[in-house]
Amino acid sequence: DAKTTQPTSMDCAEGRAANLPCNHSTISGNEYVYWYRQIHSQGPQYIIHGLKNNETNEMASLIITEDRKSSTLILPHATLRDTAVYYCIVRALISSGSARQLTFGSGTQLTVLP
Amino acid sequence: DVKVTQSSRYLVKRTGEKVFLECVQDMDHENMFWYRQDPGLGLRLIYFSYDVKMKEKGDIPEGYSVSREKKERFSLILESASTNQTSMYLCASSLPSPGWGPDTEAFFGQGTRLTVV
Repeated sequence: DAKTTQPTSMDCAEGRAANLPCNHSTISGNEYVYWYRQIHSQGPQYIIHGLKNNETNEMASLIITEDRKSSTLILPHATLRDTAVYYCIVRALISSGSARQLTFGSGTQLTVLP
Repeated sequence: DVKVTQSSRYLVKRTGEKVFLECVQDMDHENMFWYRQDPGLGLRLIYFSYDVKMKEKGDIPEGYSVSREKKERFSLILESASTNQTSMYLCASSLPSPGWGPDTEAFFGQGTRLTVV
């Protein structure tokens, strides 16, 4: 799986959009971008994933650049409960029935300020 | 609401004790995983299971064993606890990939913070 680079920490004001960048310049054509987050003292939580098109769900939006070398996770209206470590992961396609482990890097500590 | 439940949030055990960490999921998932998470080392896979009675070693299986007698339950066993097994233990489950495509999302439990003294 390709390596990712994220800023160590970011702050965001409550109610504003939080934009979390991720660099994955060595991504290959069959690799997806995933985002998970981990609130302090809890297990990680899946947020979203995408291949090349922008994706949106009830939690967030994922914007992937046209060359796929970077992406941005957007939390449109950040709340205090969004304070967490956010992990960007790149994972290749897998065959049917396969199971693969998740490998988290250091992630970005997002702090939402009141 | 989908759920992965770990039996304890906090556990303190003595060196040499046999320790059982239990994980139950209610989503009928085939895949279950045990990770440990340590500061600066990220998530490391201990064991995983893709079916009842099936298990595969992860990156750091030494000192651990697992049991999967029922689909919903995956147990991690520390045969003889040592202080270097003090850690946060995370259980996760997922569906198998439906085809040649993206991996399915993993659901994690709340974690068990184990301290071995």
